[in-house]
Amino acid sequence: AQSVTQPDIHITVSEGASLELRCNYSYGATPYLFWYVQSPGQGLQLLLKYFSGDTLVQGIKGFEAEFKRSQSSFNLRKPSVHWSDAAEYFCAVGARNTDKLIFGTGTRLQVFP
Amino acid sequence: DAGVIQSPRHEVTEMGQEVTLRCKPISGHNSLFWYRQTMMRGLELLIYFNNNVPIDDSGMPEDRFSAKMPNASFSTLKIQPSEPRDSAVYFCASRLAGVHNEQFFGPGTRLTVL
Repeated sequence: AQSVTQPDIHITVSEGASLELRCNYSYGATPYLFWYVQSPGQGLQLLLKYFSGDTLVQGIKGFEAEFKRSQSSFNLRKPSVHWSDAAEYFCAVGARNTDKLIFGTGTRLQVFP
Repeated sequence: DAGVIQSPRHEVTEMGQEVTLRCKPISGHNSLFWYRQTMMRGLELLIYFNNNVPIDDSGMPEDRFSAKMPNASFSTLKIQPSEPRDSAVYFCASRLAGVHNEQFFGPGTRLTVL
């Protein structure tokens, strides 16, 4: 069965610092992978997605993620965090034969000025 | 373009009352998903539809929950009778079924059952 693990429940960084949010998945084949962001009181917004090809994926708001098959990981990165990036971030995995997405438990990002 | 529309945005009701949540998917999308988000359980898929037909309702917690999609532009999630443990944020999402298509989420309905 598919599963997603986000090992960090809460991360705090200073504005301008680099960021990496971890995501590990379990799936027997190459999955579809997504990162979503949820600002307080809002729905989820797609940051980026991976289906095939180049393993380094660029997204909106300056985010990128790298698919590493050998580590079953899809970590999200940003070189310099802005205060407006404070939000909850969700990694999700989808199988190629289903419409469903399996979401991780989320990582809450706090940004200090 | 209008995104996924949900109403109401907030709902406060008393235990035992019927609650109806509404969703209008993005025009042209043919898959619709209902999720529930709580602190304890995170984001859970309740049910989803393809072309107005329920495909997987295994996430619906119990018979008190029901969902319908009478046409391509409208869906409801009903809880009858409601209980305090149903308090959560309920999200609707839609997508264009097919390869590589992500889900687009609505703003959610925050339900409080007293």
